[in-house]
Amino acid sequence: ETGVTQSPTHLIKTRGQQVTLRCSSQSGHNTVSWYQQALGQGPQFIFQYYREEENGRGNFPPRFSGLQFPNYSSELNVNALELDDSALYLCASSLQGAYYGYTFGSGTRLTVV
Amino acid sequence: KNEVEQSPQNLTAQEGEFITINCSYSVGISALHWLQQHPGGGIVSLFMLSSGKKKHGRLIATINIQEKHSSLHITASHPRDSAVYICAVTPNFGNEKLTFGTGTRLTIIP
Repeated sequence: ETGVTQSPTHLIKTRGQQVTLRCSSQSGHNTVSWYQQALGQGPQFIFQYYREEENGRGNFPPRFSGLQFPNYSSELNVNALELDDSALYLCASSLQGAYYGYTFGSGTRLTVV
Repeated sequence: KNEVEQSPQNLTAQEGEFITINCSYSVGISALHWLQQHPGGGIVSLFMLSSGKKKHGRLIATINIQEKHSSLHITASHPRDSAVYICAVTPNFGNEKLTFGTGTRLTIIP
């Protein structure tokens, strides 16, 4: 059984640019959640996708958007990058939500300069 | 006040010591998770529990639903246990997102 894979592992972007982060969910999982973890903080919920539709969103502006594909992999897109967007972005997959537990990826560390 | 509070924030102990990390939460939950995060950033799920107690190797997790409190214990601690331990809850409403505590940084000295 494969785990959750995120790409890229590290990324440096300039303020104002756009970025796309990718996540492949664990085999058999149909739900993907994205989290932002600033340095020294706990992860914050961005949004969740279930069967290709957004299934809840945290307190993040619309320039944070996402997609889920038929194979349940997912993308996180961030437009008009700001310096405060520098963080570790974590993806977690699950089956039908929390009851079956989550599998996390290793994260993408985004630095905005 | 955060919905999930952990204590202590930092913990340094000698190898072999018994470790306890505490988590308190203020919302109704369907499950509580204990997670381990190493310096590289990746998160490993240690336990998911909604009642009672679970044990895996040297790790034990307990939860008291009435008191909204959970503890993670590590017996015979080892330097390889050094990591950030994070408590997270799934509220019993909405889309089952995880709400995280800020973590406990554990350092085990040989």
